[in-house]
Amino acid sequence: DTEVTQTPKHLVMGMTNKKSLKCEQHMGHRAMYWYKQKAKKPPELMFVYSYEKLSINESVPSRFSPECPNSSLLNLHLHALQPEDSALYLCASSQDSSGNTIYFGEGSWLTVV
Amino acid sequence: QKEVEQDPGPLSVPEGAIVSLNCTYSNSAFQYFMWYRQYSRKGPELLMYTYSSGNKEDGRFTAQVDKSSKYISLFIRDSQPSDSATYLCATLNASGGSYIPTFGRGTSLIVHP
Repeated sequence: DTEVTQTPKHLVMGMTNKKSLKCEQHMGHRAMYWYKQKAKKPPELMFVYSYEKLSINESVPSRFSPECPNSSLLNLHLHALQPEDSALYLCASSQDSSGNTIYFGEGSWLTVV
Repeated sequence: QKEVEQDPGPLSVPEGAIVSLNCTYSNSAFQYFMWYRQYSRKGPELLMYTYSSGNKEDGRFTAQVDKSSKYISLFIRDSQPSDSATYLCATLNASGGSYIPTFGRGTSLIVHP
């Protein structure tokens, strides 16, 4: 079982809704990541937090807003999404931002209607 | 040219076969190489990682890196139906002071009884 926990596992939201995806890890890792994965495609990096600071934003639209309240938690706030944003959203963590032992959660399936 | 190339398959083999999964990469500066297994509708699970060239073995799995040809391989011995999944290779790409996994598109493996 993965030690990166994501909630909810499934989310259906309308284009005017505001919702959040949550991620938690208790491995003492200092780097956390959000990835987006469409069907039959590899994960695509969205954001990287290193030591609770945003270190990488891969030009993600502002309707996605990450938040790192502390070293164990990472949230992704969603607002005014489009149907094409429907995907599997993966949270991951690693000991530091060297990335070589990155562990993924099971993902949150998002459907935008 | 994508940084990591991987044949999407599907690759279908009988139970007990030796499976060879392969990727090529373009950047000779890459040093870390990872293999992830992803079951349907689940997050990727880290199988193995290797540094530089050479082999690394873990049970039925062997990871091999040939830096001279920029070729990475994962061998699965005595394949089982439970090995049926998508296998993603990844390398670490330096970005903004961090090292971020860059994924191949994944190879779908089917092991039939």
